[in-house]
Amino acid sequence: QKEVEQNSGPLSVPEGAIASLNCTYSDRGSQSFFWYRQYSGKSPELIMSIYSNGDKEDGRFTAQLNKASQYVSLLIRDSQPSDSATYLCAALSGNTPLVFGKGTRLSVIA
Amino acid sequence: KAGVTQTPRYLIKTRGQQVTLSCSPISGHRSVSWYQQTPGQGLQFLFEYFSETQRNKGNFPGRFSGRQFSNSRSEMNVSTLELGDSALYLCASSPVWSETGLNYGYTFGSGTRLTVV
Repeated sequence: QKEVEQNSGPLSVPEGAIASLNCTYSDRGSQSFFWYRQYSGKSPELIMSIYSNGDKEDGRFTAQLNKASQYVSLLIRDSQPSDSATYLCAALSGNTPLVFGKGTRLSVIA
Repeated sequence: KAGVTQTPRYLIKTRGQQVTLSCSPISGHRSVSWYQQTPGQGLQFLFEYFSETQRNKGNFPGRFSGRQFSNSRSEMNVSTLELGDSALYLCASSPVWSETGLNYGYTFGSGTRLTVV
C-alpha cells in the first residue's frame, strides 16, 4: 500500500514567519512530487512540483526533496494570513495513481 | 484556457438512488482521474482514465463506476447510494502521462458535493 504521511496540524505561525510543512512517502519508486493548497470548501490547487533531490524555489515557496530519506517539504516564507489553508502532499510513480497525504492545516496568525 | 469543469456542483440524493457526475478536462488533457474527499479519509482515489481506457482503479465497491468518451470527457456513476457516499467528488486532468513517471501535475475541477439523505 503506497502511502504519503503528513502531520495533520494545525500548524500555527505568526504573520511574516516561515512555515515548514513536511511529508514522507513509502514508495521508493515515486518520481514526481507535488504540493497542493486547499482552502476550506474549495478544490486543491497545485502550487509546487519537484522531481529531483534538492530545493526548488517559486516566489515565497520552496519545495525540498530528499529521495534517500523519502522526505518532501514545503517552506513558505513571509507567511500571510491568506496562506491559511490545508496543504496536501502527493507522490506519483510511473503509471500508478497520484497518492495524497491527508494534509496539514496551516493557520497564519496576524 | 478553460479549466476542469465538473457538473453539477451540488447534489442531494436519497439512499438507494443512483447518480451520474460529469467532468470535462482541460483541452488537450487525455488523463482524467476521480477522487472522493471526506473529512476523515482525505482524498481517496477512485479511478483514472486515459484514452477511453480505465488505467487504474481504487479500492471502492463495484457500485462506483466510470467511463471516458472519445473527447476525453468523463463520467462517474454511483448506484444504490449509501449515506457514507456523501462526499466531495473531485475530477482532475493531466496533460502528460510519461512512462518515466514524470508528470506535470493534476489540475482539479471545483468538485461535486454529493449529499445522500
